[in-house]
Amino acid sequence: DIQMTQSPSSLSASVGDRVTITCRASQGIYNYLAWFQQKPGKAPKSLIYDASSLQSGVPSKFSGSGSGTDFTLTISSLQPEDFATYYCQQYNSYPFTFGPGTKVDIK
Amino acid sequence: EVQLVQSGAEVKKPGESLKISCKGSGYSFATYWIGWVRQVPGKGLEWMGMIYPGGSNTKYSPSFQGQVTISADKSINTAYLQWSSLKASDTAIYYCARDTSMRYWGQGTLVTVSS
Repeated sequence: DIQMTQSPSSLSASVGDRVTITCRASQGIYNYLAWFQQKPGKAPKSLIYDASSLQSGVPSKFSGSGSGTDFTLTISSLQPEDFATYYCQQYNSYPFTFGPGTKVDIK
Repeated sequence: EVQLVQSGAEVKKPGESLKISCKGSGYSFATYWIGWVRQVPGKGLEWMGMIYPGGSNTKYSPSFQGQVTISADKSINTAYLQWSSLKASDTAIYYCARDTSMRYWGQGTLVTVSS
């Protein structure tokens, strides 16, 4: 199985901050990488697919980059509604696997 | 508009069987993979498996192979996740999602297994 790691596991940030979350795959996955946002009590929401494609309806402050084994999710200017947990997921090979999540909370 | 609507919360006893559903609308149901994801309360997301409704091709995570069955009925645009004998450790929220990249999600079904 491909193992996904995320760093940091949690971070505290202020409104307006630029935030970057890193996701690393244990082996190359080309660009078959998605990012999700989950708020407490809610279903996950797709933000990015194919490593850098913005899901329809998602604001452009979210961006993704990377290929192979190293990927990043960037939030350009953190807003109150962005405080949540973020997960990456690889869908290059079965079984598809998620990262452990990065919790973003208010400083 | 793509929508996935899941069946309601369930409370079951250990050893009982269960089948939960995920109904798709707003797209051609048979031509997109549907996956299932488990989330134990307070924990992360676990990919369980997925099905291609058009051909019933199914893939399972080794962690869930033999523990659950994924199926679909394309005539009613519905995918299913079922257990033949529930355990307390199956208590979790189960989500369905469309595409290999999981771009659209259902609202989740809470399954509680308790004696």
